[in-house]
Amino acid sequence: GQNIDQPTEMTATEGAIVQINCTYQTSGFNGLFWYQQHAGEAPTFLSYNVLDGLEEKGRFSSFLSRSKGYSYLLLKELQMKDSASYLCAALDSNYQLIWGAGTKLIIKP
Amino acid sequence: DGGITQSPKYLFRKEGQNVTLSCEQNLNHDAMYWYRQDPGQGLRLIYYSQIVNDFQKGDIAEGYSVSREKKESFPLTVTSAQKNPTAFYLCASSYAGQRTVNEQFFGPGTRLTVL
Repeated sequence: GQNIDQPTEMTATEGAIVQINCTYQTSGFNGLFWYQQHAGEAPTFLSYNVLDGLEEKGRFSSFLSRSKGYSYLLLKELQMKDSASYLCAALDSNYQLIWGAGTKLIIKP
Repeated sequence: DGGITQSPKYLFRKEGQNVTLSCEQNLNHDAMYWYRQDPGQGLRLIYYSQIVNDFQKGDIAEGYSVSREKKESFPLTVTSAQKNPTAFYLCASSYAGQRTVNEQFFGPGTRLTVL
């Protein structure tokens, strides 16, 4: 079956760096998305990776290893507003998104 | 401003009643989607539509129905046949295209509670 695993919850300190991991098992693979979702709100797009390597976008970076079925989202210089859930989603061979349950990130002062 | 709207934000329904959730987009997207989000679970696809007057079942379509009479609108009806309808419902849209990669844009969601 198809599956996405990511930690349920993580805690980090304001100003620090945090890495949120995601492993996936899908029927075929056409890329991986990361979305941010604040409580009770809509998910918003953060990144898309289809090739191996690191993509940097400001304070956020996303990494992909296709051979390992692994991705991570790296958040630097954490701010209180980064407290949210981070959703990992893989695109399978039929271009359908398979979603993880999300990682709730708690930022402490 | 372009975007996706969902209404209402909160909806209460008595058991046994059908209810329709609205989703409208003015992004000129061809594809639209309905997801259900429950605590501790990933988004689950209910229905999706790639083009007007056509839609497909997702992973959990039972107890739900949709229509796509206009490009901008994709309403979802939660019927009394849905056994556990209390959830957060998200509508999304994207540029079309079968077998292409397109970022999905989400509406603000409707929280449905069955009393």
